[in-house]
Order: sequence, then C-alpha cells, then structure tokens
Amino acid sequence: KQEVTQIPAALSVPEGENLVLNCSFTDSAIYNLQWFRQDPGKGLTSLLLIQSSQREQTSGRLNASLDKSSGRSTLYIAASQPGDSATYLCAVRTGNQFYFGTGTSLTVIP
Amino acid sequence: DTAVSQTPKYLVTQMGNDKSIKCEQNLGHDTMYWYKQDSKKFLKIMFSYNNKELIINETVPNRFSPKSPDKAHLNLHINSLELGDSAVYFCASSQYQPGQRLEKLFFGSGTQLSVL
Repeated sequence: KQEVTQIPAALSVPEGENLVLNCSFTDSAIYNLQWFRQDPGKGLTSLLLIQSSQREQTSGRLNASLDKSSGRSTLYIAASQPGDSATYLCAVRTGNQFYFGTGTSLTVIP
Repeated sequence: DTAVSQTPKYLVTQMGNDKSIKCEQNLGHDTMYWYKQDSKKFLKIMFSYNNKELIINETVPNRFSPKSPDKAHLNLHINSLELGDSAVYFCASSQYQPGQRLEKLFFGSGTQLSVL
C-alpha cells in the first residue's frame, strides 16, 4: 500500500527566505503527484500537478520537482511571504486512489 | 460559481443522531470522493464513486452510507453518530483521464462535524 510522508511537519521562516518542503512515497508506480495548500478552516487548493513522466513544474514563485525512481518530490517556494502561511500537502495518484501526505505547516514571519 | 460545494459548513449534533452532508460539483467530472480529515490534518479516503457507481469503499463503519443520485452529486448520510465521528469531512471530484497522469483533484471547503 502506498505511504506518503512529509518532512518537516512544521516550519517557521522569516519573510523573504527561500524554502523547500519534502514529500516521499513508498511505491514509485504513480501516475502523478499534486501539491495542495490548505488554509485554516478551508478546503484544499491545488498548486501544482506533476505527471509521472515530468521532472518539474513551475507556477510563479513555486517550483515542484519529482524523482519518481527515488520516491521523492520537493516544493520550492521562493521569496516567502506571510501570505504563504498555510499547511501544504502532497498527494500521489496510485492505482485508483489519491494518497495524501501528513502535511507541512508553514509559518512565514513578517 | 463554486466548483465543488458542500453543505453544511458546520454541523453540531448530539450522539446518536442521524445527519447528512450534501456535495455538488459543477465541473462535469465523473468521479466524486468523500475524505475524512482528523485532528492531525491527515486525509483518509472513505468512498469514491465513478458515474454513480461505488468504486472505493474503505474500512468505514456501515453507519456511513454514501448516495450518488447523479454524477454531479454525492451525499453522505451518517447514522447513530458517535463522538469519534467528529472531524472535517471533505468532498472532492476529478475527471478520469486516459493514462490518469493528468487527473487532478478539486476539493470542497469541508464540513466541520462536532458530535457532543
């Protein structure tokens, strides 16, 4: 069964710093990997989707990479802002399901 | 227009009651899901329907019964509510893509269920 882990569980950085969130998965037979953002009391908003055949995707200050063979993905956030504070989750599509990581709670300090 | 909408947003009820959560998507997707998010933010799949047919039914007490009247709606009915049912329940939808590499999940805003 697919297991997805995110490290660190929580991260606090000063505004302006670049940061990296990590996501690892145990079964490399994935179709895609999605990064989501969740604000308190809200649903999940999709940030980036990387297909299994791709190595990275970029959207604005966000860059997600995928190394399928080693079961890893990273989400790079450049020039962090207080508005980036949220919980970030990754999810992999394996078989007929999406499997979610445990999330990283990010706080960007002004 | 909200793509995936679920109601109510908050649900506070007594143990033993029966309650329902409704979900609708206007994205034209053919697959809908119910997820449960616990206090540690972990999301666990409960059910998945594709074109009104149940395709995923995880180990969930049979007090939980999903109903899909059409492919745009997936409701969740819960009988005899227990304290441990308190959580946030999310509805989501996706559209099957050949090869599945482009299949993307869209979420509703969640229903906070509190059982007293």
